[in-house]
Amino acid sequence: GIQVEQSPPDLILQEGANSTLRCNFSDSVNNLQWFHQNPWGQLINLFYIPSGTKQNGRLSATTVATERYSLLYISSSQTTDSGVYFCAVVRGADGLTFGKGTHLIIQP
Amino acid sequence: NAGVMQNPRHLVRRRGQEARLRCSPMKGHSHVYWYRQLPEEGLKFMVYLQKENIIDESGMPKERFSAEFPKEGPSILRIQQVVRGDSAAYFCASSRTSAQETQYFGPGTRLLVL
Repeated sequence: GIQVEQSPPDLILQEGANSTLRCNFSDSVNNLQWFHQNPWGQLINLFYIPSGTKQNGRLSATTVATERYSLLYISSSQTTDSGVYFCAVVRGADGLTFGKGTHLIIQP
Repeated sequence: NAGVMQNPRHLVRRRGQEARLRCSPMKGHSHVYWYRQLPEEGLKFMVYLQKENIIDESGMPKERFSAEFPKEGPSILRIQQVVRGDSAAYFCASSRTSAQETQYFGPGTRLLVL
């Protein structure tokens, strides 16, 4: 099956810093989503982005499908950005395959 | 417009009992997916259903686990004779027409097996 690798696995930043999270995938995909799992365990949809670039406030994402990677940018980090960020993909018509996530801690 | 709903949010069972987890998809969504998140692990796909049909169950354990999405009512994930290793968060997601569209996740059911 398709492989999804995320980096870095852990990231500790000070409030106000910017960060870039990366997601590499091993084959062409029909669906790519970024999620934030907050400390209460809720999975929050950030982006549906199988290709191209999107922005939503302080967050933006870019997927280069031909090179099989996606990037999530977080600017001006806040403590509420802490949690685990997951990239997940669909190849074909089945369920999402998730990466292992990036564990982000924003310190005040 | 209500999101994906799951209940119960927390479920405690003793070994050998049955667990039933329910999922109501978003309005207008006819595709449902179940995922499991074991402690300190990522999320794993279990099963993909449309109304009255199982589309893909490649991620379901072969024994004790079953899922359905009847014509009327919520989708049900059923775990028979639970064991401690079944303790996990179980998430349901839904999409409008296919797995290639945005999947929206519910809040999850946290199952604890004593």
